[in-house]
Amino acid sequence: DTGVSQDPRHKITKRGQNVTFRCDPISEHNRLYWYRQTLGQGPEFLTYFQNEAQLEKSRLLSDRFSAERPKGSFSTLEIQRTEQGDSAMYLCASSPRSTQGAIGYTFGSGTRLTVV
Amino acid sequence: QQQVKQSPQSLIVQKGGISIINCAYENTAFDYFPWYQQFPGKGPALLIAIRPDVSEKKEGRFTISFNKSAKQFSLHIMDSQPGDSATYFCAAGVDGAGSYQLTFGKGTKLSVIP
Repeated sequence: DTGVSQDPRHKITKRGQNVTFRCDPISEHNRLYWYRQTLGQGPEFLTYFQNEAQLEKSRLLSDRFSAERPKGSFSTLEIQRTEQGDSAMYLCASSPRSTQGAIGYTFGSGTRLTVV
Repeated sequence: QQQVKQSPQSLIVQKGGISIINCAYENTAFDYFPWYQQFPGKGPALLIAIRPDVSEKKEGRFTISFNKSAKQFSLHIMDSQPGDSATYFCAAGVDGAGSYQLTFGKGTKLSVIP
């Protein structure tokens, strides 16, 4: 297992276009998280899945954002009608069922989105 | 509302020196305090973590000091090396079912000069 994998690593898109990112968590991890990190800031929580159920969403996740984890394995994060303020690093993390709370996170390398 | 405040924003230390980064939190429900290290183009990687039942935890050159009454914790990097140059984030979360978020500080960019 090579850790949490995110694709693509970089995405440049024009304002108003839709983009979709993919995250493949560590295979035995049942929890999956999306965070957003803007330049000079720490990661900010967006949403969380336990298996295929989306259990928590941040107020940062506007109605232009949608996340899915259809079979409890990989997850996708879609941003519709992108805005320049969406430019950020989108980080995915996963954690195993053997831990509780915020323990045991492994982050991927992220997808850097630039909206022009 | 920023729940975890981190300082300094940047730090320059000579090789062999001690790097100290400080964090303060507000939410008394937090009971898990990890530090993450992030290199450019990479995601954060867990460095060391502490729970409030101990005041200090050491792993190699990295030590966390924790002051529960002051709601503060700090990272000390002993014998700092150029390879330690990275951005460090403190974070806080809950060790228990029902809350899985981590709240991060804004980060400290550490530069260790030879």
